[in-house]
Amino acid sequence: DAGVIQSPRHEVTEMGQEVTLRCKPISGHNSLFWYRQTMMRGLELLIYFNNNVPIDDSGMPEDRFSAKMPNASFSTLKIQPSEPRDSAVYFCASRILAGAHEQYFGPGTRLTVT
Amino acid sequence: AQSVTQLGSHVSVSEGALVLLRCNYSSSVPPYLFWYVQYPNQGLQLLLKYTTGATLVKGINGFEAEFKKSETSFHLTKPSAHMSDAAEYFCAVSGEGGSARQLTFGSGTQLTVLP
Repeated sequence: DAGVIQSPRHEVTEMGQEVTLRCKPISGHNSLFWYRQTMMRGLELLIYFNNNVPIDDSGMPEDRFSAKMPNASFSTLKIQPSEPRDSAVYFCASRILAGAHEQYFGPGTRLTVT
Repeated sequence: AQSVTQLGSHVSVSEGALVLLRCNYSSSVPPYLFWYVQYPNQGLQLLLKYTTGATLVKGINGFEAEFKKSETSFHLTKPSAHMSDAAEYFCAVSGEGGSARQLTFGSGTQLTVLP
């Protein structure tokens, strides 16, 4: 079975550009999470969805960040406009809502904003 | 509210030596506890979990952890370290009810295995 799929794996962009990160959760999982990992701040939860509905976006740093989940098999995290301080590794994770809470992580997208 | 404290951001052991990574948690509800491992340039991989029942849980790659409620601890151990164990390890906690169902992660422990 395929795990969580993220694309692209690496993204390099210039400050001010729009960046879109993509995630496909594990089939049958109905809860999806976006995290950001940096050396300074560690692993931060940005937003999560249950059954495609955003439940808590309190971790989204600014209005420049937005996330959508149009269906059960796809989610996007968009940054517009991007800034150098957004450089980080962004992870998507999924889980089964009724399960024992463990989340399964994708390989991450390494974003570099110059 | 939940929190996780991992004692020691960096731990070094010799190959073949005991690995002990410490994790203490705080939770207002009965906790579910997890250890994840992150190899360089990869995502987090579930090592093991405690939900209910037996307090000593075994995971992949020879790791195990013991839930000690009285000590609010969930330390990770492996009897004999291997070079391939070098990675970052994260302890996480969750619980029943609302936001408690989400994972709260510790800050991670970088394990170095010396030849």
